[in-house]
Amino acid sequence: GAVVSQHPSWVICKSGTSVKIECRSLDFQATTMFWYRQFPKQSLMLMATSNEGSKATYEQGVEKDKFLINHASLTLSTLTVTSAHPEDSSFYICSAVLRARVTDTQYFGPGTRLTVL
Amino acid sequence: DQQVKQNSPSLSVQEGRISILNCDYTNSMFDYFLWYKKYPAEGPTFLISISSIKDKNEDGRFTVFLNKSAKHLSLHIVPSQPGDSAVYFCAASSYGQNFVFGPGTRLSVLP
Repeated sequence: GAVVSQHPSWVICKSGTSVKIECRSLDFQATTMFWYRQFPKQSLMLMATSNEGSKATYEQGVEKDKFLINHASLTLSTLTVTSAHPEDSSFYICSAVLRARVTDTQYFGPGTRLTVL
Repeated sequence: DQQVKQNSPSLSVQEGRISILNCDYTNSMFDYFLWYKKYPAEGPTFLISISSIKDKNEDGRFTVFLNKSAKHLSLHIVPSQPGDSAVYFCAASSYGQNFVFGPGTRLSVLP
């Protein structure tokens, strides 16, 4: 299947600093990528839709100035958590959409564990 | 209002038996359905999908059934193995946009 990577897989940072997470589709081009957040024992929460070459679309309640998304190429989207605080500690997962003639399928990255001290 | 529902938060099955995971949806515009498996601290893994023009799709031990009139789909795993223990998410999309995920069902396969 299609492969999506995330980097870093785990990051610990101090409160007030910014952290950048990269999401790459390794063997296909993705015009659309998604960013999710998962809290312990909860389902995936869609944060935003990242479209190559345009501004991301954020879900209600997600601060776009805090979670900066850049989809600069067809294989790379980045999520920057600005001025991180302990409540931003979470598991962040990206996905990339592989578009086929008939159907589109999301493939997920392995996730990034963010811990803000 | 949840558009995709997985009413069983958890399910336990004996190894070797069949696991049946259910999913219901409300939006009749959904035309493509997917199942993902997720282990703790990992991203979801795509398992199997089905288009709304079909009512069954099979891949090895995994079979997905779609009942459009009932807006219901199910994932059958047979025979179940301990390594199948994970959280399973049902997802739906329309025209490749707006993937909507269910809350997940935690499957435990007991040896």
